[in-house]
Amino acid sequence: DTEVTQTPKHLVMGMTNKKSLKCEQHMGHRAMYWYKQKAKKPPELMFVYSYEKLSINESVPSRFSPECPNSSLLNLHLHALQPEDSALYLCASSPDRVSYEQYFGPGTRLTVT
Amino acid sequence: SQKIEQNSEALNIQEGKTATLTCNYTNYSPAYLQWYRQDPGRGPVFLLLIRENEKEKRKERLKVTFDTTLKQSLFHITASQPADSATYLCALGYTDKLIFGTGTRLQVFP
Repeated sequence: DTEVTQTPKHLVMGMTNKKSLKCEQHMGHRAMYWYKQKAKKPPELMFVYSYEKLSINESVPSRFSPECPNSSLLNLHLHALQPEDSALYLCASSPDRVSYEQYFGPGTRLTVT
Repeated sequence: SQKIEQNSEALNIQEGKTATLTCNYTNYSPAYLQWYRQDPGRGPVFLLLIRENEKEKRKERLKVTFDTTLKQSLFHITASQPADSATYLCALGYTDKLIFGTGTRLQVFP
């Protein structure tokens, strides 16, 4: 299984809602990532987990809260988002953190109203 | 300031020709560089990785070069096909992170 899955595919939420994005991989990868991608822009790194521990946080606002319950799962908890947070949220994994190709999921298209 | 720029926002070529995409960077010393393909509304797909001590890598119709003196990588698709139409992203491996370039949208016409 060489797939990274993400749920939901689409999410519409109000600014006062709390929601979560889920990502799963069963390739035995020990590094997992969250990226944010706006239209016609490249993916921007948000968080990196290495061996289930948060290793990089790219100064992301606290309204985004990552969680890695086990080596196969990665969540992104969302609370009190702003309309400018609307974007494609991509999850990725790699065998380890350094110098390996990353496998991306299809993304969650988030719209904040 | 640090920048990663890909030569053009869009590149149109005829089927069968070689597409050449450019990735230039400033104020980085990457340990490696990767190329990804992204189709609309989908996640990027890994294509090739080249390390700082390698000059060239090939995979089927794909070739990538890496010149750390010029701070440039070239990505070639030979015998291009309409199915190669997509956005191509270069990404630098730097301080344990992958930093993506601006992307080039390639359109191959029959």
